[in-house]
Amino acid sequence: DTAVSQTPKYLVTQMGNDKSIKCEQNLGHDTMYWYKQDSKKFLKIMFSYNNKELIINETVPNRFSPKSPDKAHLNLHINSLELGDSAVYFCASSQEPHTGELFFGEGSRLTVL
Amino acid sequence: QKEVEQNSGPLSVPEGAIASLNCTYSDRGSQSFFWYRQYSGKSPELIMSIYSNGDKEDGRFTAQLNKASQYVSLLIRDSQPSDSATYLCAVNGGGKLIFGQGTELSVKP
Repeated sequence: DTAVSQTPKYLVTQMGNDKSIKCEQNLGHDTMYWYKQDSKKFLKIMFSYNNKELIINETVPNRFSPKSPDKAHLNLHINSLELGDSAVYFCASSQEPHTGELFFGEGSRLTVL
Repeated sequence: QKEVEQNSGPLSVPEGAIASLNCTYSDRGSQSFFWYRQYSGKSPELIMSIYSNGDKEDGRFTAQLNKASQYVSLLIRDSQPSDSATYLCAVNGGGKLIFGQGTELSVKP
């Protein structure tokens, strides 16, 4: 049973389109995250939610909108996709906020053409 | 200056050797430090955490922390081909986990 699961695993889309990625964790954790990993493997935090409340909101274009319907789910919606949005997006969770002990999902590879 | 810096490698070691991976960080107030392993095409996986100066050993892995020098390292003893992966150093700064760019390790049989 996968602890942190993301769907879809692959997205290929055209510039200007809108897409969503969904994440679910069954670890009973309170905190969830979205990270972006670029082609150089650099992993950068985008957002973090603790028990449905946004607690970290990095300098990310407002085309990116996270949503946490409950503490087990975190979604990411991206409007007006650009070439530079191509990356692997990782969802992660942790037992509590502001910790470094994260459990990552398998990633969603987004390719914008 | 990058907040967390690592040599990107690749670092190549023969099987059975000690692999030494290094990381420096810029935020002197950082309190907790982590090493993640990421196999190609997979997600990062936590392998070590260290919170105080000195060494912490877990099996073949030893993490070393020197806060005065703002330096963290990971030693892998008796390296195996299965250790070939990218190793990400991460530092907890201001409640956010900041990652280095990773060091690619290749262990040759």
